[in-house]
Amino acid sequence: GESVGLHLPTLSVQEGDNSIINCAYSNSASDYFIWYKQESGKGPQFIIDIRSNMDKRQGQRVTVLLNKTVKHLSLQIAATQPGDSAVYFCAEMGGGSYIPTFGRGTSLIVHP
Amino acid sequence: DTGVSQDPRHKITKRGQNVTFRCDPISEHNRLYWYRQTLGQGPEFLTYFQNEAQLEKSRLLSDRFSAERPKGSFSTLEIQRTEQGDSAMYLCASSLAGRNEQFFGPGTRLTVL
Repeated sequence: GESVGLHLPTLSVQEGDNSIINCAYSNSASDYFIWYKQESGKGPQFIIDIRSNMDKRQGQRVTVLLNKTVKHLSLQIAATQPGDSAVYFCAEMGGGSYIPTFGRGTSLIVHP
Repeated sequence: DTGVSQDPRHKITKRGQNVTFRCDPISEHNRLYWYRQTLGQGPEFLTYFQNEAQLEKSRLLSDRFSAERPKGSFSTLEIQRTEQGDSAMYLCASSLAGRNEQFFGPGTRLTVL
Protein backbone atom coordinates (compact mmCIF):
# COMPACT_ATOMS: atom_id res chain seq x y z
CA GLY A 1 0.00 0.00 0.00
CA GLU A 2 0.97 3.63 -0.12
CA SER A 3 3.15 4.81 2.71
CA VAL A 4 5.23 7.56 4.15
CA GLY A 5 8.82 6.88 5.10
CA LEU A 6 12.09 8.49 6.06
CA HIS A 7 15.45 8.08 4.39
CA LEU A 8 17.73 8.26 7.45
CA PRO A 9 17.00 6.69 10.80
CA THR A 10 19.68 8.67 12.71
CA LEU A 11 21.27 12.04 12.10
CA SER A 12 24.13 13.34 14.24
CA VAL A 13 25.14 16.99 14.06
CA GLN A 14 27.23 19.47 15.98
CA GLU A 15 25.57 22.29 17.86
CA GLY A 16 25.25 25.30 15.60
CA ASP A 17 25.16 23.31 12.38
CA ASN A 18 22.13 23.17 10.14
CA SER A 19 20.18 19.90 10.05
CA ILE A 20 18.18 18.44 7.20
CA ILE A 21 15.75 15.60 7.76
CA ASN A 22 14.20 13.99 4.70
CA CYS A 23 10.95 12.20 4.07
CA ALA A 24 9.54 10.39 1.05
CA TYR A 25 5.83 9.86 0.52
CA SER A 26 4.04 7.83 -2.10
CA ASN A 27 0.39 8.84 -1.82
CA SER A 28 -0.12 11.29 -4.66
CA ALA A 29 -3.51 12.24 -3.18
CA SER A 30 -1.86 13.71 -0.08
CA ASP A 31 -2.36 17.45 0.07
CA TYR A 32 -1.16 18.33 3.55
CA PHE A 33 2.05 17.47 5.32
CA ILE A 34 3.19 17.92 8.89
CA TRP A 35 6.44 17.59 10.78
CA TYR A 36 6.33 16.47 14.39
CA LYS A 37 9.04 16.42 17.03
CA GLN A 38 8.92 13.77 19.74
CA GLU A 39 11.15 13.99 22.78
CA SER A 40 11.75 11.03 25.01
CA GLY A 41 8.75 10.29 27.21
CA LYS A 42 6.51 12.80 25.46
CA GLY A 43 3.92 12.76 22.75
CA PRO A 44 4.60 14.20 19.28
CA GLN A 45 4.67 17.98 19.09
CA PHE A 46 3.60 19.89 15.98
CA ILE A 47 6.49 21.81 14.41
CA ILE A 48 5.39 23.03 11.01
CA ASP A 49 3.02 22.12 8.22
CA ILE A 50 2.73 22.72 4.50
CA ARG A 51 -0.03 22.36 1.95
CA SER A 52 0.50 20.85 -1.46
CA ASN A 53 -0.05 24.20 -3.19
CA MET A 54 3.17 25.46 -1.62
CA ASP A 55 6.77 24.32 -2.03
CA LYS A 56 8.33 26.10 0.92
CA ARG A 57 7.24 27.31 4.31
CA GLN A 58 9.33 28.90 7.02
CA GLY A 59 8.92 29.02 10.74
CA GLN A 60 11.18 29.97 13.58
CA ARG A 61 14.53 28.30 12.74
CA VAL A 62 12.68 25.65 10.70
CA THR A 63 11.87 25.41 7.03
CA VAL A 64 9.87 22.73 5.26
CA LEU A 65 10.40 22.10 1.57
CA LEU A 66 7.97 20.12 -0.55
CA ASN A 67 8.85 18.64 -3.93
CA LYS A 68 5.71 17.14 -5.37
CA THR A 69 7.45 15.98 -8.52
CA VAL A 70 9.49 13.42 -6.62
CA LYS A 71 7.14 13.16 -3.64
CA HIS A 72 9.71 14.37 -1.15
CA LEU A 73 9.68 16.76 1.75
CA SER A 74 12.39 17.90 4.07
CA LEU A 75 12.72 19.68 7.37
CA GLN A 76 15.60 22.08 7.75
CA ILE A 77 16.60 23.23 11.22
CA ALA A 78 18.93 26.21 11.36
CA ALA A 79 21.60 26.56 14.05
CA THR A 80 20.69 23.26 15.65
CA GLN A 81 20.66 23.27 19.44
CA PRO A 82 20.93 20.42 21.98
CA GLY A 83 17.24 20.96 22.72
CA ASP A 84 16.47 19.94 19.16
CA SER A 85 17.59 16.39 19.94
CA ALA A 86 14.50 14.25 19.42
CA VAL A 87 12.81 11.92 16.97
CA TYR A 88 11.24 13.70 14.02
CA PHE A 89 8.28 12.33 12.08
CA CYS A 90 6.71 13.46 8.88
CA ALA A 91 3.04 12.80 8.37
CA GLU A 92 0.72 13.16 5.44
CA MET A 93 -2.99 13.73 5.11
CA GLY A 94 -5.25 13.82 2.12
CA GLY A 95 -8.57 13.03 0.55
CA GLY A 96 -10.49 15.02 3.13
CA SER A 97 -9.28 12.84 5.99
CA TYR A 98 -8.19 14.44 9.25
CA ILE A 99 -6.16 11.36 10.16
CA PRO A 100 -2.42 11.75 9.57
CA THR A 101 -0.35 8.82 8.36
CA PHE A 102 3.03 8.90 10.02
CA GLY A 103 6.29 7.69 8.59
CA ARG A 104 9.12 6.08 10.50
CA GLY A 105 11.02 8.54 12.66
CA THR A 106 14.49 10.01 12.30
CA SER A 107 16.48 10.42 15.47
CA LEU A 108 18.35 13.73 15.57
CA ILE A 109 21.30 13.83 17.94
CA VAL A 110 22.90 17.20 18.58
CA HIS A 111 26.37 17.17 20.08
CA PRO A 112 27.37 20.20 22.16
CA ASP B 1 2.72 20.54 28.25
CA THR B 2 0.14 20.57 25.43
CA GLY B 3 -2.88 20.57 27.71
CA VAL B 4 -3.81 16.98 26.89
CA SER B 5 -3.36 14.63 29.84
CA GLN B 6 -3.34 10.86 30.00
CA ASP B 7 -3.59 8.49 32.92
CA PRO B 8 -1.83 6.32 33.88
CA ARG B 9 1.54 7.14 32.35
CA HIS B 10 2.71 3.57 32.76
CA LYS B 11 0.83 0.30 33.11
CA ILE B 12 2.26 -3.17 33.59
CA THR B 13 -0.18 -6.02 33.39
CA LYS B 14 -0.25 -9.74 32.93
CA ARG B 15 -1.46 -11.35 29.75
CA GLY B 16 -5.19 -11.90 29.81
CA GLN B 17 -5.98 -8.98 32.10
CA ASN B 18 -8.12 -6.00 31.10
CA VAL B 19 -6.74 -2.48 31.19
CA THR B 20 -8.34 0.94 30.81
CA PHE B 21 -6.65 4.21 29.93
CA ARG B 22 -8.03 7.71 30.26
CA CYS B 23 -7.47 10.81 28.16
CA ASP B 24 -8.48 14.36 29.03
CA PRO B 25 -8.28 16.58 25.94
CA ILE B 26 -7.96 20.34 25.73
CA SER B 27 -11.33 21.49 27.01
CA GLU B 28 -12.58 23.31 23.91
CA HIS B 29 -11.44 20.60 21.49
CA ASN B 30 -14.31 18.56 20.12
CA ARG B 31 -12.20 15.96 18.33
CA LEU B 32 -10.28 13.29 20.19
CA TYR B 33 -8.00 10.66 18.66
CA TRP B 34 -6.32 7.50 19.91
CA TYR B 35 -3.09 6.17 18.45
CA ARG B 36 -0.72 3.30 19.18
CA GLN B 37 3.03 3.72 18.87
CA THR B 38 5.75 1.09 18.99
CA LEU B 39 9.45 1.80 19.37
CA GLY B 40 10.96 3.63 16.43
CA GLN B 41 7.67 3.85 14.57
CA GLY B 42 5.28 6.68 14.04
CA PRO B 43 1.90 6.67 15.76
CA GLU B 44 -0.73 4.43 14.16
CA PHE B 45 -4.31 5.65 14.15
CA LEU B 46 -6.82 3.62 16.16
CA THR B 47 -10.01 5.66 16.40
CA TYR B 48 -11.42 9.14 16.73
CA PHE B 49 -14.42 10.94 18.19
CA GLN B 50 -16.16 14.13 17.33
CA ASN B 51 -17.90 15.13 20.53
CA GLU B 52 -19.35 11.85 21.86
CA ALA B 53 -19.68 10.16 18.46
CA GLN B 54 -17.05 7.64 17.39
CA LEU B 55 -16.66 8.49 13.72
CA GLU B 56 -13.86 6.26 12.50
CA LYS B 57 -12.12 3.09 13.61
CA SER B 58 -8.96 1.57 12.18
CA ARG B 59 -8.79 -2.11 11.26
CA LEU B 60 -6.06 -2.21 13.93
CA LEU B 61 -8.80 -1.80 16.52
CA SER B 62 -9.67 -5.44 17.16
CA ASP B 63 -12.79 -6.48 19.02
CA ARG B 64 -10.74 -6.61 22.23
CA PHE B 65 -10.39 -2.82 22.03
CA SER B 66 -13.17 -0.43 22.87
CA ALA B 67 -13.17 3.33 23.24
CA GLU B 68 -15.78 5.66 24.67
CA ARG B 69 -16.29 9.37 25.06
CA PRO B 70 -19.61 9.44 26.91
CA LYS B 71 -19.97 13.17 27.54
CA GLY B 72 -17.86 14.48 24.71
CA SER B 73 -15.06 15.43 27.06
CA PHE B 74 -12.68 12.77 28.43
CA SER B 75 -12.27 9.42 26.71
CA THR B 76 -11.36 5.92 27.81
CA LEU B 77 -9.66 3.16 25.87
CA GLU B 78 -10.13 -0.37 27.18
CA ILE B 79 -8.21 -3.42 26.09
CA GLN B 80 -9.70 -6.75 27.12
CA ARG B 81 -7.73 -9.98 27.45
CA THR B 82 -4.44 -8.25 26.83
CA GLU B 83 -1.79 -9.96 24.73
CA GLN B 84 1.96 -9.38 24.64
CA GLY B 85 1.55 -7.81 21.22
CA ASP B 86 -0.53 -5.05 22.81
CA SER B 87 2.60 -3.69 24.51
CA ALA B 88 3.05 -0.20 23.12
CA MET B 89 2.63 3.48 23.85
CA TYR B 90 -1.00 4.58 23.59
CA LEU B 91 -1.30 8.21 22.61
CA CYS B 92 -4.28 10.49 22.76
CA ALA B 93 -4.61 13.72 20.77
CA SER B 94 -7.25 16.39 20.43
CA SER B 95 -8.11 19.08 17.94
CA LEU B 96 -10.80 21.49 16.93
CA ALA B 97 -13.11 20.19 14.21
CA GLY B 98 -11.92 21.37 10.82
CA ARG B 99 -8.40 22.07 12.06
CA ASN B 100 -5.53 19.81 11.09
CA GLU B 101 -3.26 20.48 14.06
CA GLN B 102 -3.56 17.81 16.71
CA PHE B 103 -2.20 18.22 20.22
CA PHE B 104 -0.83 15.04 21.72
CA GLY B 105 -0.77 13.88 25.30
CA PRO B 106 2.29 12.25 26.89
CA GLY B 107 0.95 8.75 26.29
CA THR B 108 0.36 5.67 28.41
CA ARG B 109 3.07 3.03 28.09
CA LEU B 110 1.58 -0.45 28.36
CA THR B 111 3.71 -3.49 29.09
CA VAL B 112 2.03 -6.88 28.92
CA LEU B 113 4.00 -9.64 30.62
